[in-house]
Amino acid sequence: AQSVTQLDSQVPVFEEAPVELRCNYSSSVSVYLFWYVQYPNQGLQLLLKYLSGSTLVKGINGFEAEFNKSQTSFHLRKPSVHISDTAEYFCAVKSGCSNYKLTFGKGTLLTVNP
Amino acid sequence: DVKVTQSSRYLVKRTGEKVFLECVQDMDHENMFWYRQDPGLGLRLIYFSYDVKMKEKGDIPEGYSVSREKKERFSLILESASTNQTSMYLCASSNTGRGAGTETQYFGPGTRLLVL
Repeated sequence: AQSVTQLDSQVPVFEEAPVELRCNYSSSVSVYLFWYVQYPNQGLQLLLKYLSGSTLVKGINGFEAEFNKSQTSFHLRKPSVHISDTAEYFCAVKSGCSNYKLTFGKGTLLTVNP
Repeated sequence: DVKVTQSSRYLVKRTGEKVFLECVQDMDHENMFWYRQDPGLGLRLIYFSYDVKMKEKGDIPEGYSVSREKKERFSLILESASTNQTSMYLCASSNTGRGAGTETQYFGPGTRLLVL
Protein backbone atom coordinates (compact mmCIF):
# COMPACT_ATOMS: atom_id res chain seq x y z
CA ALA A 1 0.00 0.00 0.00
CA GLN A 2 1.16 3.52 -0.71
CA SER A 3 1.03 6.40 1.75
CA VAL A 4 2.05 10.04 1.92
CA THR A 5 3.17 12.06 4.93
CA GLN A 6 3.30 15.82 4.84
CA LEU A 7 5.41 16.65 7.84
CA ASP A 8 4.05 20.14 8.54
CA SER A 9 0.36 20.97 8.72
CA GLN A 10 1.07 24.73 8.74
CA VAL A 11 4.03 26.78 7.54
CA PRO A 12 4.03 30.54 8.19
CA VAL A 13 6.68 32.60 6.37
CA PHE A 14 7.39 36.21 5.53
CA GLU A 15 7.11 37.56 2.02
CA GLU A 16 10.27 37.09 -0.10
CA ALA A 17 11.62 34.38 2.24
CA PRO A 18 12.44 30.90 0.90
CA VAL A 19 10.15 28.03 1.77
CA GLU A 20 10.29 24.24 1.78
CA LEU A 21 7.22 22.05 2.19
CA ARG A 22 8.14 18.52 3.10
CA CYS A 23 6.65 15.31 1.73
CA ASN A 24 7.64 11.71 2.38
CA TYR A 25 6.05 8.70 0.75
CA SER A 26 6.07 4.97 1.17
CA SER A 27 5.62 2.49 -1.63
CA SER A 28 7.21 -0.83 -2.41
CA VAL A 29 7.24 -0.20 -6.16
CA SER A 30 8.07 2.61 -8.53
CA VAL A 31 6.12 5.79 -7.98
CA TYR A 32 4.84 8.87 -9.68
CA LEU A 33 4.73 11.98 -7.49
CA PHE A 34 2.64 15.14 -7.67
CA TRP A 35 2.21 18.47 -5.89
CA TYR A 36 -1.14 20.25 -6.09
CA VAL A 37 -2.13 23.69 -4.79
CA GLN A 38 -5.56 24.74 -3.56
CA TYR A 39 -6.33 28.44 -3.26
CA PRO A 40 -9.20 29.45 -0.94
CA ASN A 41 -12.60 28.27 -2.17
CA GLN A 42 -11.17 26.65 -5.27
CA GLY A 43 -10.40 23.17 -6.54
CA LEU A 44 -6.91 21.70 -6.79
CA GLN A 45 -4.45 22.77 -9.48
CA LEU A 46 -1.37 20.80 -10.50
CA LEU A 47 1.92 22.52 -9.59
CA LEU A 48 4.33 19.88 -10.85
CA LYS A 49 4.86 16.15 -11.21
CA TYR A 50 7.70 13.63 -11.26
CA LEU A 51 7.28 10.69 -13.62
CA SER A 52 10.87 9.72 -14.48
CA GLY A 53 14.19 11.20 -15.55
CA SER A 54 15.70 14.25 -13.88
CA THR A 55 15.07 14.26 -10.16
CA LEU A 56 14.67 18.05 -10.08
CA VAL A 57 11.26 19.03 -11.38
CA LYS A 58 10.23 22.60 -12.14
CA GLY A 59 6.60 23.66 -11.97
CA ILE A 60 4.41 26.70 -12.29
CA ASN A 61 4.71 29.90 -10.24
CA GLY A 62 8.44 29.39 -9.57
CA PHE A 63 8.06 26.19 -7.54
CA GLU A 64 10.35 23.19 -7.87
CA ALA A 65 10.65 19.81 -6.18
CA GLU A 66 13.36 17.21 -5.86
CA PHE A 67 12.72 13.48 -5.94
CA ASN A 68 15.03 11.64 -3.56
CA LYS A 69 14.57 7.90 -3.85
CA SER A 70 16.89 6.95 -0.98
CA GLN A 71 15.10 9.33 1.38
CA THR A 72 11.67 8.56 -0.16
CA SER A 73 11.02 12.28 -0.25
CA PHE A 74 9.61 14.82 -2.68
CA HIS A 75 10.02 18.21 -1.01
CA LEU A 76 8.59 21.35 -2.61
CA ARG A 77 10.65 24.56 -2.63
CA LYS A 78 10.43 28.17 -3.71
CA PRO A 79 13.35 30.60 -3.26
CA SER A 80 11.18 33.68 -2.66
CA VAL A 81 7.46 33.56 -1.84
CA HIS A 82 4.74 36.11 -2.50
CA ILE A 83 1.57 36.92 -0.59
CA SER A 84 -0.32 35.27 -3.46
CA ASP A 85 1.33 31.90 -2.67
CA THR A 86 -0.83 31.63 0.45
CA ALA A 87 -2.75 28.40 -0.12
CA GLU A 88 -2.95 24.75 0.89
CA TYR A 89 -0.48 22.41 -0.78
CA PHE A 90 -1.03 18.68 -1.26
CA CYS A 91 1.53 16.03 -2.08
CA ALA A 92 0.21 12.92 -3.86
CA VAL A 93 1.68 9.60 -4.91
CA LYS A 94 0.66 6.96 -7.38
CA SER A 95 2.40 3.62 -7.46
CA GLY A 96 3.18 1.86 -10.71
CA CYS A 97 0.89 -1.05 -9.86
CA SER A 98 -2.17 1.02 -8.91
CA ASN A 99 -4.83 1.81 -11.48
CA TYR A 100 -5.38 5.56 -11.61
CA LYS A 101 -5.57 6.00 -7.85
CA LEU A 102 -3.74 8.93 -6.29
CA THR A 103 -3.06 8.89 -2.56
CA PHE A 104 -2.96 12.38 -1.08
CA GLY A 105 -1.21 13.73 1.98
CA LYS A 106 -3.20 15.70 4.55
CA GLY A 107 -2.02 19.03 3.21
CA THR A 108 0.23 21.89 4.33
CA LEU A 109 -1.22 25.35 4.77
CA LEU A 110 1.34 27.92 3.62
CA THR A 111 0.67 31.40 4.97
CA VAL A 112 2.79 34.22 3.58
CA ASN A 113 2.82 37.31 5.78
CA PRO A 114 3.87 40.83 4.72
CA ASP B 1 -8.13 24.59 -21.08
CA VAL B 2 -9.69 21.63 -19.36
CA LYS B 3 -12.86 22.56 -17.56
CA VAL B 4 -14.47 20.52 -14.82
CA THR B 5 -17.69 21.97 -13.47
CA GLN B 6 -19.77 20.97 -10.50
CA SER B 7 -23.48 21.67 -10.30
CA SER B 8 -23.45 23.55 -7.00
CA ARG B 9 -20.83 25.39 -4.95
CA TYR B 10 -22.88 25.20 -1.75
CA LEU B 11 -25.67 22.83 -0.78
CA VAL B 12 -27.73 22.45 2.40
CA LYS B 13 -29.74 19.26 2.89
CA ARG B 14 -31.59 17.53 5.71
CA THR B 15 -30.77 14.15 7.22
CA GLY B 16 -32.37 11.35 5.23
CA GLU B 17 -32.67 13.29 1.98
CA LYS B 18 -31.39 11.85 -1.28
CA VAL B 19 -28.64 14.10 -2.63
CA PHE B 20 -27.25 14.30 -6.15
CA LEU B 21 -23.91 15.96 -6.92
CA GLU B 22 -23.20 16.42 -10.59
CA CYS B 23 -19.87 16.81 -12.35
CA VAL B 24 -19.26 17.58 -16.01
CA GLN B 25 -15.95 17.71 -17.91
CA ASP B 26 -15.48 19.07 -21.40
CA MET B 27 -12.25 17.37 -22.51
CA ASP B 28 -13.48 13.90 -23.44
CA HIS B 29 -11.58 12.33 -20.54
CA GLU B 30 -12.02 8.62 -19.89
CA ASN B 31 -11.49 8.79 -16.13
CA MET B 32 -13.55 10.63 -13.55
CA PHE B 33 -13.23 10.71 -9.76
CA TRP B 34 -15.13 11.79 -6.67
CA TYR B 35 -13.22 12.78 -3.52
CA ARG B 36 -14.24 14.22 -0.21
CA GLN B 37 -12.01 16.70 1.56
CA ASP B 38 -12.07 17.17 5.33
CA PRO B 39 -9.79 19.35 7.47
CA GLY B 40 -6.74 17.42 8.62
CA LEU B 41 -7.60 14.38 6.50
CA GLY B 42 -6.68 15.59 3.02
CA LEU B 43 -8.52 14.13 0.05
CA ARG B 44 -10.03 10.67 0.18
CA LEU B 45 -11.27 8.84 -2.89
CA ILE B 46 -14.92 7.79 -2.82
CA TYR B 47 -15.40 6.29 -6.29
CA PHE B 48 -13.87 6.51 -9.71
CA SER B 49 -14.96 5.58 -13.20
CA TYR B 50 -12.71 4.63 -16.11
CA ASP B 51 -15.42 4.42 -18.76
CA VAL B 52 -19.14 4.91 -19.28
CA LYS B 53 -21.13 2.67 -16.92
CA MET B 54 -17.88 1.42 -15.30
CA LYS B 55 -17.00 2.24 -11.71
CA GLU B 56 -14.69 1.15 -8.96
CA LYS B 57 -14.83 1.77 -5.23
CA GLY B 58 -12.28 4.03 -3.67
CA ASP B 59 -11.24 4.17 -0.05
CA ILE B 60 -14.53 5.34 1.49
CA PRO B 61 -17.49 4.22 -0.68
CA GLU B 62 -19.87 3.46 2.19
CA GLY B 63 -23.01 5.58 2.04
CA TYR B 64 -22.38 6.69 -1.55
CA SER B 65 -23.17 5.48 -5.03
CA VAL B 66 -22.26 6.84 -8.47
CA SER B 67 -23.62 6.93 -11.96
CA ARG B 68 -21.90 7.47 -15.29
CA GLU B 69 -24.34 7.23 -18.18
CA LYS B 70 -22.44 9.63 -20.45
CA LYS B 71 -18.72 10.09 -20.83
CA GLU B 72 -18.73 13.73 -19.77
CA ARG B 73 -20.90 13.39 -16.68
CA PHE B 74 -20.26 11.65 -13.36
CA SER B 75 -22.81 11.82 -10.56
CA LEU B 76 -22.33 11.17 -6.88
CA ILE B 77 -25.42 10.05 -4.98
CA LEU B 78 -26.03 10.11 -1.25
CA GLU B 79 -28.99 7.74 -0.89
CA SER B 80 -29.87 8.96 2.60
CA ALA B 81 -27.74 11.89 3.72
CA SER B 82 -26.31 11.86 7.22
CA THR B 83 -24.59 14.57 9.23
CA ASN B 84 -21.22 12.80 8.95
CA GLN B 85 -21.39 13.37 5.20
CA THR B 86 -21.06 17.12 5.71
CA SER B 87 -17.91 17.85 3.74
CA MET B 88 -16.33 19.40 0.66
CA TYR B 89 -16.78 17.17 -2.40
CA LEU B 90 -14.32 17.45 -5.28
CA CYS B 91 -14.70 15.97 -8.73
CA ALA B 92 -11.74 15.32 -11.02
CA SER B 93 -11.11 13.94 -14.48
CA SER B 94 -8.11 12.64 -16.40
CA ASN B 95 -7.19 11.20 -19.73
CA THR B 96 -5.65 7.76 -20.09
CA GLY B 97 -2.05 8.50 -20.98
CA ARG B 98 0.56 6.27 -22.54
CA GLY B 99 1.39 4.96 -19.08
CA ALA B 100 -1.16 4.66 -16.31
CA GLY B 101 -0.32 7.21 -13.67
CA THR B 102 1.25 9.74 -15.99
CA GLU B 103 -2.03 11.49 -16.53
CA THR B 104 -2.86 14.67 -14.64
CA GLN B 105 -6.11 14.87 -12.70
CA TYR B 106 -8.02 18.11 -13.28
CA PHE B 107 -10.28 19.23 -10.48
CA GLY B 108 -13.57 21.09 -10.29
CA PRO B 109 -14.16 23.94 -7.82
CA GLY B 110 -15.84 21.71 -5.24
CA THR B 111 -19.28 21.49 -3.63
CA ARG B 112 -19.52 22.31 0.04
CA LEU B 113 -22.34 20.16 1.44
CA LEU B 114 -23.94 20.76 4.81
CA VAL B 115 -26.29 18.07 6.13
CA LEU B 116 -28.50 19.24 8.99
